[in-house]
Amino acid sequence: DIQMTQSPSTLSASIGDRVTITCRASQTISGFLAWYQQTPGKAPKLLIYKASTVEDGVPSRFRGSGSGTDFTLTISSLQPDDFATYYCQHYDNYQWTFGPGTRVEIK
Amino acid sequence: VQMKESGGSVVHPGGSLRLSCAASGIQFGSYAMSWVRQAPGQGPEWVATISGTGFNTYYADFVKGRFTVSRDNSKNTMYLQMNSLRAGDTATYYCANNNWNDMSYLNHWGPGTPVTVSS
Repeated sequence: DIQMTQSPSTLSASIGDRVTITCRASQTISGFLAWYQQTPGKAPKLLIYKASTVEDGVPSRFRGSGSGTDFTLTISSLQPDDFATYYCQHYDNYQWTFGPGTRVEIK
Repeated sequence: VQMKESGGSVVHPGGSLRLSCAASGIQFGSYAMSWVRQAPGQGPEWVATISGTGFNTYYADFVKGRFTVSRDNSKNTMYLQMNSLRAGDTATYYCANNNWNDMSYLNHWGPGTPVTVSS
């Protein structure tokens, strides 16, 4: 089975900072990689799919990139609504696997 | 688009529960639908997916033989029948629709319904 890891597990940042979160697969994967944002008590919200396509309505400061085993989510200028936990998710052969998450907290 | 789960409650180990997911704002029968759970303090964990027609179902290994996903397209509703529940099944259960063409990601999520398995 493909395992997904994320780094860092926690990230402290300030408003306006550029933030990068990494998702790594245990082996080369297809581009079926999505990113979700979750705030406490709420359901995850889709941000990015197919590694780099921004979901409708998601601010342009969110960007996804990567291929092979390494993928990144970048927030170009952190805003107050962005303090949340971010999860990557991979799809392969009718199995959907989430990463362990990266919590972005206020510095 | 809205998804709304229901049916979560407290149940004893070994017990059963049926969750429902009512969808609106989408052409329900055109979309695969999924259940994802999240234990307290943990990340999301995929549980099961059912194709738009209901003919194909897919399960995470840890629920095979215990959980059954089904749907009634005439009611725009998906179900999760959970049997032989264990303490480790305690979680908030979310439903979501898969994207239309390749099912690879989950577009719209419900707010979740809590399931607690405890004696």
